[in-house]
Amino acid sequence: DAGITQSPRHKVTETGTPVTLRCHQTENHRYMYWYRQDPGHGLRLIHYSYGVKDTDKGEVSDGYSVSRSKTEDFLLTLESATSSQTSVYFCAISESQQGRMQPQHFGDGTRLSIL
Amino acid sequence: GDSVTQMEGPVTLSEEAFLTINCTYTATGYPSLFWYVQYPGEGLQLLLKATKADDKGSNKGFEATYRKETTSFHLEKGSVQVSDSAVYFCALANSGGSNYKLTFGKGTLLTVNP
Repeated sequence: DAGITQSPRHKVTETGTPVTLRCHQTENHRYMYWYRQDPGHGLRLIHYSYGVKDTDKGEVSDGYSVSRSKTEDFLLTLESATSSQTSVYFCAISESQQGRMQPQHFGDGTRLSIL
Repeated sequence: GDSVTQMEGPVTLSEEAFLTINCTYTATGYPSLFWYVQYPGEGLQLLLKATKADDKGSNKGFEATYRKETTSFHLEKGSVQVSDSAVYFCALANSGGSNYKLTFGKGTLLTVNP
């Protein structure tokens, strides 16, 4: 299994509080991703990174920010959590070989509940 | 933009039945295609992939053939088991400018009864 660790695995917090989720990889992959998974929506990309300090928005980035200060860590922050951000969050990693993207490998997810 | 459409299900089968989950895509260029599986309480795992037209990906008895003429990548298994109960996602990665992103279908829940 790809070396991806998400922390925490579960979190319950209150509306308006800041929350940071961490994704740590041991594969030295260049690309890292944050998704959220909700019933009826499948997986939706929040933000992604294509290198240290290089990040870009996905399709549902509002209310989220990310940082990547070193290759192995990709942080997702909810500055002021809202109930609509209750979800399961997945981190994924990938590499590109000869111009073609290799399959993404996923962490086990963080279940976040905002009350 | 790129998109993936898969049958939403849920799909309920008896053990040893034949499985087909349809997946069609819209993309420019020559995408790579993937099937991922998600077991309850877990993350997504790569099930199989195909990188060019007419390629057949296979793993654990599952197969899918990359059909460029019909823009499809249907997942099949000849005889399902209870342990195959999971959510299945079709996805594509385009070889164009944004080739580091995956586009996912919404997933198909499969339940196999003994």
